[in-house]
Amino acid sequence: GIQVEQSPPDLILQEGANSTLRCNFSDSVNNLQWFHQNPWGQLINLFYIPSGTKQNGRLSATTVATERYSLLYISSSQTTDSGVYFCAVGSRAGNNRKLIWGLGTSLAVNP
Amino acid sequence: GAGVSQSPSNKVTEKGKDVELRCDPISGHTALYWYRQSLGQGLEFLIYFQGNSAPDKSGLPSDRFSAERTGGSVSTLTIQRTQQEDSAVYLCASSLLGAGTEAFFGQGTRLTVV
Repeated sequence: GIQVEQSPPDLILQEGANSTLRCNFSDSVNNLQWFHQNPWGQLINLFYIPSGTKQNGRLSATTVATERYSLLYISSSQTTDSGVYFCAVGSRAGNNRKLIWGLGTSLAVNP
Repeated sequence: GAGVSQSPSNKVTEKGKDVELRCDPISGHTALYWYRQSLGQGLEFLIYFQGNSAPDKSGLPSDRFSAERTGGSVSTLTIQRTQQEDSAVYLCASSLLGAGTEAFFGQGTRLTVV
């Protein structure tokens, strides 16, 4: 089945720094989502982005479907950005109907 | 409702007891997923419902786990004869049309088996 790899696994930033998180996937996808899991465990939708580029405030994301990767950009990071960032994909292959998840990038933003 | 709602938020149960976890999806969403997440781990797929199709139960870890979705809306995940390894956060998500459309998650049920 489709494989999803996220990098880096862990990231520590000083407040105000910028960062790029990466998600690689091994097959064509019809869905790609970025989530932020906050320290209380809530999964928050960041982007639904099977292709193209989107921006929302300090966050933006780009998916290059033909090259099978997606990038999440965080600019001017804040302590509230801390948590785990997950990439999840839906595959076009076969009859796969469930989202496949990466292992996440754990981000800590220090004041 | 405005979002996916799960209840209870927290559940502590004794080993061997049965528990029921409830999920109210977003109104009009035809697809519903259950996942679980152990401490510090990623999400583990459990079961997927899509409209009137037969559910995808391929992620259920044992026959102690079952789920149903009544009337295409509310879903209940039942764990029989709970074990300590069942302790985790159980997350429910819904999407409008299935895996190709955006999924939204509830706040989860934290299950602790003592």
